[in-house]
Amino acid sequence: DFQLTQSPSFLSASVGDRVTVTCRPSQDISSYLAWYQQMPGKAPKLLIYAASTLQSGVPSRFSGSGSGTEFTLTISSLQPEDFATYYCQQLHSYPSTFGQGTKVEIK
Amino acid sequence: QVQLVESGGGVVQPGRSLRLSCAASGFIFSSYGMHWVRQAPGKGLEWVAVISYDGSNQYYEDSVKGRITISRDNSKNTLYLQMSSLRAEDTAVYYCAKQLSPSGSYYGFDFWGQGTLVTVSS
Repeated sequence: DFQLTQSPSFLSASVGDRVTVTCRPSQDISSYLAWYQQMPGKAPKLLIYAASTLQSGVPSRFSGSGSGTEFTLTISSLQPEDFATYYCQQLHSYPSTFGQGTKVEIK
Repeated sequence: QVQLVESGGGVVQPGRSLRLSCAASGFIFSSYGMHWVRQAPGKGLEWVAVISYDGSNQYYEDSVKGRITISRDNSKNTLYLQMSSLRAEDTAVYYCAKQLSPSGSYYGFDFWGQGTLVTVSS
């Protein structure tokens, strides 16, 4: 199975900050990686798919990059509505797996 | 608009069975693979199972193999998750999710239900 190591688990940031989350699969997954945002008590929301493609309706301050065994999610200028938990997911093969999550909180 | 509505959750004793349903609307259900994802209280997301658009293929997370069966009825636009021999560690919110692409799950899940809570407790 493909394991995903997501870091950091927690980060504290201010509105306007540039934020980066990293996801490292245990094996090469090409570009089969997605990123999600989850608000408390809500279902996850797809932000990025195929490592770098922005899902329709997602603000352009979100971006994804990487391939193989290292991926990043970047929020260029953190907004109040971005304080949430973010997950990566590998879709290279089954079983699909999620990273442990990164909780972004207000500094 | 796409809607996924789960039902069937509740409190169940260890060792018992439960069937979850996910009613889909707003898209051609029979064209898309569908997934179940769960989230234990205060924990992260865990992928559970997938079924192909026509029901011919299913894959499962290792810890649920042999205990959980995913199925679908395309005539009713409904996805199911039959769970048996339930354990305390199966306690979670269960979400159904639609693949973004009809050609495979490589691009993630673009729509999710609101989730249904399953609590396994005596």
